[in-house]
Formats: sequence, C-alpha cells, structure tokens
Amino acid sequence: NAGVTQTPKFQVLKTGQSMTLQCAQDMNHNSMYWYRQDPGMGLRLIYYSASEGTTDKGEVPNGYNVSRLNKREFSLRLESAAPSQTSVYFCASRVRSYEQYFGPGTRLTVT
Amino acid sequence: GIQVEQSPPDLILQEGANSTLRCNFSDSVNNLQWFHQNPWGQLINLFYIPSGTKQNGRLSATTVATERYSLLYISSSQTTDSGVYFCAVQGGSEKLVFGKGMKLTVNP
Repeated sequence: NAGVTQTPKFQVLKTGQSMTLQCAQDMNHNSMYWYRQDPGMGLRLIYYSASEGTTDKGEVPNGYNVSRLNKREFSLRLESAAPSQTSVYFCASRVRSYEQYFGPGTRLTVT
Repeated sequence: GIQVEQSPPDLILQEGANSTLRCNFSDSVNNLQWFHQNPWGQLINLFYIPSGTKQNGRLSATTVATERYSLLYISSSQTTDSGVYFCAVQGGSEKLVFGKGMKLTVNP
C-alpha cells in the first residue's frame, strides 16, 4: 500500500514551458486535492476533485488545469509556467470528510 | 470562509520540555486534523480530531468544538519533533483550510 504517490519529485522549467504533475492513490479514496506551499505559508488549495469526473477550483486556481483521469489519478497541468509558480506542490486524498493523506511533494522551480 | 489561527507562530525548546500548540477556528467544523511537516518537507498525519481527546505516545490532542479551538500537547520533546505543525479544518464545504503553521525547534 503506497498511499499517495507523486511524480516527479523535482522539476526545473523555463518561463513559458508546460508540464504535468502526476498524482495517484491506492486507498480507494473519493476525493483528491492539489495544494501549493510557499515559504513561510501554509498550504493553499489549487483544485480539488470530490469524486471521479468532477473538479472544482480552490483558492489559487489561476494558471493551472487539472484532470481526474480515474478514481486513482489526479493530474495538475501548468500550460505556460511563470516564476510565480515556483513552489512545492502537494497532492492529497481522502474519503469524504475524513482524514486526509498527503503525497511526498514536488519541488518546482521556474526560471 | 472559515479562518484558522495558530499560536504561537514559533517556539524554541530544550529537549525534554513540554509544549502546547493552539488552533482557533472561526466556525463549526466537521473535520480537524493536526499535521507535522518534518525538515525534509514531508507532511505527517498526527491526529484526526473533530472533537474530543486522543493520545498517541508523547503527543495528545484535544478539540473543544463548541468553543472553536484545538490544542496539541507535546511532552518530553525530542529533536525529531522539530518542524512545522499545521492545524487544518473543514467546515461546510469539501475543502480543508490550513493555518499558517507553528515552527518548533527542539535543541539538544
């Protein structure tokens, strides 16, 4: 049981490049989330998916798109990366309204 | 939306000391969790505690939902307790809202 896994662990992009962050969970959870964490701040929600086939915006959705590919997988896409998107990205999942579990994070730098 | 405030923002302890971290929230909650982010950035679940008291080894937590606060107690602190502690709550929506965290440094 791997829990929540994320790929890649590290990534460096140039301004304007695109990339997709992958997330998968093997706990049969309905809900999945993408957060970003900037220095000295808590976690801010980018997008979430309450169930397969649905996605909703969180607190900071601009510049991102998501896809809930199936119950296990939830990807985050940056279409045109900007330096302001330099951050650590965390994926999380849970059964609705219960305990949330986090992946190990992806450290992204945009130059 | 629901607001979460954690205090103190920073705490420095000597190994062996006890500490109490507080989380205040502005509305009724369905879910409250405490997390520890270790120096390597990993987020570790400590407690799922929307109400009541739980204990896990040297750590315990109490949530008084009617008064809108939760406390995390760390006893006999160790250097491995260092890191940032987050409180996160869920109100009426699907979203978990995080406090800004409390940085704990435990010196040997």
